[in-house]
Amino acid sequence: AQSVTQPDIHITVSEGASLELRCNYSYGATPYLFWYVQSPGQGLQLLLKYFSGDTLVQGIKGFEAEFKRSQSSFNLRKPSVHWSDAAEYFCAVETGNTGKLIFGQGTTLQVKP
Amino acid sequence: DTGVSQDPRHKITKRGQNVTFRCDPISEHNRLYWYRQTLGQGPEFLTYFQNEAQLEKSRLLSDRFSAERPKGSFSTLEIQRTEQGDSAMYLCASSPRGLRSGEQFFGPGTRLTVL
Repeated sequence: AQSVTQPDIHITVSEGASLELRCNYSYGATPYLFWYVQSPGQGLQLLLKYFSGDTLVQGIKGFEAEFKRSQSSFNLRKPSVHWSDAAEYFCAVETGNTGKLIFGQGTTLQVKP
Repeated sequence: DTGVSQDPRHKITKRGQNVTFRCDPISEHNRLYWYRQTLGQGPEFLTYFQNEAQLEKSRLLSDRFSAERPKGSFSTLEIQRTEQGDSAMYLCASSPRGLRSGEQFFGPGTRLTVL
């Protein structure tokens, strides 16, 4: 069955430090993968997506993610975290012809000053 | 603003009452999705429309839930005889035409509290 696992429920990093959020997926075919961010009171906003091609994808707000088929992973990275990055981050895989998304349970990012 | 809108943003109701939520997708998007998100969890798929046709429903969508998208424009999600377990954030998303359509644009959600 298709699934997405985000092993880290909560991560705290200092402002200016680097960040890596982990995502592992289970999907039989070529996955379409996404990272979304959700701030309190806000809707889900797309950070980046992977469909094919270059396995390192760039997104908004300085985020990037690397698709590794051999590890079934799509980890999100940012070299220097800003206090405004504190939010909840969701990894998702698109499934089937309907395009519905299966989400991980999310990682809450806290940024220390 | 031409994004996805949802109404109401918050709804408090008593157990056993019926509630209806509305979603207005981005105008040129023919695909519309409903998801449910409970505290500490990622969104879970509920149902999918392509234009006015409801093409997929999750097992999460019990008989008390019904969704419509008349004329392929806005959509409504109705919950009959609400239960406390229905308390959640209900998210609507839309995306443009395409077999693998890519990005879904999410609305701000309707937060339902069942007392």
